[in-house]
Amino acid sequence: ETGVTQTPRHLVMGMTNKKSLKCEQHLGHNAMYWYKQSAKKPLELMFVYSLEERVENNSVPSRFSPECPNSSHLFLHLHTLQPEDSALYLCASSQERQGVINNSPLHFGNGTRLTVT
Amino acid sequence: GQQLNQSPQSMFIQEGEDVSMNCTSSSIFNTWLWYKQDPGEGPVLLIALYKAGELTSNGRLTAQFGITRKDSFLNISASIPSDVGIYFCAGGSSNTGKLIFGQGTTLQVKP
Repeated sequence: ETGVTQTPRHLVMGMTNKKSLKCEQHLGHNAMYWYKQSAKKPLELMFVYSLEERVENNSVPSRFSPECPNSSHLFLHLHTLQPEDSALYLCASSQERQGVINNSPLHFGNGTRLTVT
Repeated sequence: GQQLNQSPQSMFIQEGEDVSMNCTSSSIFNTWLWYKQDPGEGPVLLIALYKAGELTSNGRLTAQFGITRKDSFLNISASIPSDVGIYFCAGGSSNTGKLIFGQGTTLQVKP
């Protein structure tokens, strides 16, 4: 149990579908993140939320739309994805926004394995 | 932009052997983190380092924050089969507010 729960664990969707990934953290953290993990590549930061406010958007295509209704929940809404978007999508949380305050490492969920057909 | 070079990319060792991997960068970091990722799971934090020169152990794992603040290494002593997985380093900078990940080191242990 990591304290960060992601659902679903696996998702297969067509390019015209709309789906959402869900993340919930039980650690009382103030910052939440979406990362994309592709084979043989470093983790790519997609979005950062601090105290429910989006503070970073790393040039992510608009077909990915995040939502953070409160400090414990984070969603990633997906629509009209491309096959190259197939990857493991990881949610993470930290006590404070990473890099702003030290001693605040990221805690990851187990990810959603997304396949776009 | 900031980049980390993590090496080796992969290792295949015999059970009982010691393992060493490292991350280097041309940039200075305030924080070095080491994570392990098992198949089908997310990365789990192993060791966090916050001061240049800091040497920290967690069981059979030892990690050091390089004195130049541009590198870090992770050692695993007396490897066992459950050490198999992908190990990631990550460097954090309070100047940029960013955490940069290495490409990972895949470790396989032969019983």
